[in-house]
Amino acid sequence: GAGVSQSPSNKVTEKGKDVELRCDPISGHTALYWYRQRLGQGLEFLIYFQGNSAPDKSGLPSDRFSAERTGESVSTLTIQRTQQEDSAVYLCASSLKGSGVIEQYFGPGTRLTVT
Amino acid sequence: QKEVEQDPGPLSVPEGAIVSLNCTYSNSAFQYFMWYRQYSRKGPELLMYTYSSGNKEDGRFTAQVDKSSKYISLFIRDSQPSDSATYLCAMSKGAQKLVFGQGTRLTINP
Repeated sequence: GAGVSQSPSNKVTEKGKDVELRCDPISGHTALYWYRQRLGQGLEFLIYFQGNSAPDKSGLPSDRFSAERTGESVSTLTIQRTQQEDSAVYLCASSLKGSGVIEQYFGPGTRLTVT
Repeated sequence: QKEVEQDPGPLSVPEGAIVSLNCTYSNSAFQYFMWYRQYSRKGPELLMYTYSSGNKEDGRFTAQVDKSSKYISLFIRDSQPSDSATYLCAMSKGAQKLVFGQGTRLTINP
C-alpha cells in the first residue's frame, strides 16, 4: 500500500518568502506529526495532530511556523518570511491512533533550502 | 545538555563484525525506546522498540535498555553492507512526541 508522501521533495526559496510543505499520511492514520532535521542532526519535533486538532504544538520554533490539517488527511506546514536557519529537511509521519508514539511511519521529507 | 546524546560517528566496520550503537539520556520519565534506520535521502524507518528496561531481539538486531544507567544500545550481529545507514535512537514519555538522538552514521565495508 501507499506510504506517507510529501511534496515537494525539494524546495529552494529566497529569504523572506513564504513556503508551504504538504504531507499525505497513510490512509486511516489519524495521528500526524511534523519533524525538522537539520544537516547532520537528529529529528526535532514540531507539531502533532490527532484528527484535525493539534494538541501539541510545543515544537514550533516561532510564530512564523504554522500547520493545519483538514479532513483527517492532508496536512500543510507553512513557514512565513523564511530565514536561512529554516534550511532543513522537513519530515512528516503518521500513525494509527492506538499505536501512537511507537509506530510512526515517515515520509521521505521535503528538503528546504533558503538562499 | 541535550535530553538524548548519541555519538554521531562516523563508524566504519568490516562486513561480519558486531556493531554496537549507543545513546544516553537524562530524562528518567522516558518509557519507550526506539531505534530507527535512515538511508540517505529517505525518511527514518522503525527497526525496534522496547518498553521500559530489558532486552529485545529481532533477527540480527538486539536492543537493550538500562534505565538505571539511562543508557540504551543496539547491537547488529553479522553486519552486512546493506546495514550501512544512519541509526537514530528515539525516546518518549508515552505521549506522542519522540525525542531523537543525533544519529550515528554507520558504514559496513565488504
